[in-house]
Amino acid sequence: AQRVTQPEKLLSVFKGAPVELKCNYSYSGSPELFWYVQYSRQRLQLLLRHISRESIKGFTADLNKGETSFHLKKPFAQEEDSAMYYCALPYTGANSKLTFGKGITLSVRP
Amino acid sequence: DAGVIQSPRHEVTEMGQEVTLRCKPISGHDYLFWYRQTMMRGLELLIYFNNNVPIDDSGMPEDRFSAKMPNASFSTLKIQPSEPRDSAVYFCASSLADGNNEQFFGPGTRLTVL
Repeated sequence: AQRVTQPEKLLSVFKGAPVELKCNYSYSGSPELFWYVQYSRQRLQLLLRHISRESIKGFTADLNKGETSFHLKKPFAQEEDSAMYYCALPYTGANSKLTFGKGITLSVRP
Repeated sequence: DAGVIQSPRHEVTEMGQEVTLRCKPISGHDYLFWYRQTMMRGLELLIYFNNNVPIDDSGMPEDRFSAKMPNASFSTLKIQPSEPRDSAVYFCASSLADGNNEQFFGPGTRLTVL
């Protein structure tokens, strides 16, 4: 069965520090992974997906099949990055249905 | 497009009362999802619909919860009777059946059951 694990609930860093939000998964087959973000008072929205291999707002995420990880990284955190971040992947056999990790709150201090 | 619309945005009710949450998906979207967000459990999928038909309701916590989608532009999630442990933020999301898997979320309804 597919599973998404975000081992930390909270990460607090200073502005300018590097950020790594951890995500591990279990999935049979080739997974498609996503990071969603929820800024304060805003809707949950897609941040990036591994298949597009793009950098959004300075964030990148590389799929590591050997370690079954999809960690979200940014070299220099900004205060506006403070938000709740969720890692997600589709259910096996039901691609439109996503399973989300429990989320991590990123707090970037000035 | 205003995106996914949910109402009410906040609901405070007393234990035992019936609660109805409403959702209008993005026009043309094929899938509609209901989620519950809590600190302890994160984001949980309760039920989802494809073309107005419920596909998987295995996430619905118990018989007190029910969801309907009478047409492509409207869905409800009902809790009857409500209990304090139902207090959470309930999200509705919709998506296209294009293999893209991107879900578009509404602003959520913050439910407090006293």
